[in-house]
Amino acid sequence: GNSVTQMEGPVTLSEEAFLTINCTYTATGYPSLFWYVQYPGEGLQLLLKATKADDKGSNKGFEATYRKETTSFHLEKGSVQVSDSAVYFCALLDRNSGGGADGLTFGKGTHLIIQP
Amino acid sequence: ETGVTQSPTHLIKTRGQQVTLRCSSQSGHNTVSWYQQALGQGPQFIFQYYREEENGRGNFPPRFSGLQFPNYSSELNVNALELDDSALYLCASSRLSGVPNEQFFGPGTRLTVL
Repeated sequence: GNSVTQMEGPVTLSEEAFLTINCTYTATGYPSLFWYVQYPGEGLQLLLKATKADDKGSNKGFEATYRKETTSFHLEKGSVQVSDSAVYFCALLDRNSGGGADGLTFGKGTHLIIQP
Repeated sequence: ETGVTQSPTHLIKTRGQQVTLRCSSQSGHNTVSWYQQALGQGPQFIFQYYREEENGRGNFPPRFSGLQFPNYSSELNVNALELDDSALYLCASSRLSGVPNEQFFGPGTRLTVL
């Protein structure tokens, strides 16, 4: 079956530090990959996505590249801010896994804490 | 444009009871998916509804059921509640198309089963 593995949190960084959150996946087909962010008390928001190998998704200074050879989709940001503090989820959508439904498979989430 | 809304915000039930959670889709969306997010875990796919029919299902027992209405709003029903059903229930709406599409999530309903 499909699965997503993320680095364990919490991850604590100082403001303006470089961020990497690792994500690897297992899929039976050819998945699309996503990063979602969840701020306290809010629902999930799509941060970025990539639909095929070597695609780079980017948004709000965050980037992630779809690496099929390493089955990875690591999230990076060059200079984090206090406002980036949230829980980040890596997810995949495997349209070839059967059923036809667009059910996302999520990792467990990584809690990011940015200190001033 | 109105986003995805869910009601109620919080709910407390006792084991064995039944519960109904509600979701209103974002304008223009025809598909609703439901997810269960246990504390400290990622969301898990329960099922998806399209054109008022279940379009796919995750690994959840039949006591989890749903409805989708002509206005694309949706309900999640859980019968015979168990303690492990305590979780945040998320609804997401999207527009079913031939390419992977973005799912827009609501704020969730926090269910506590005592």
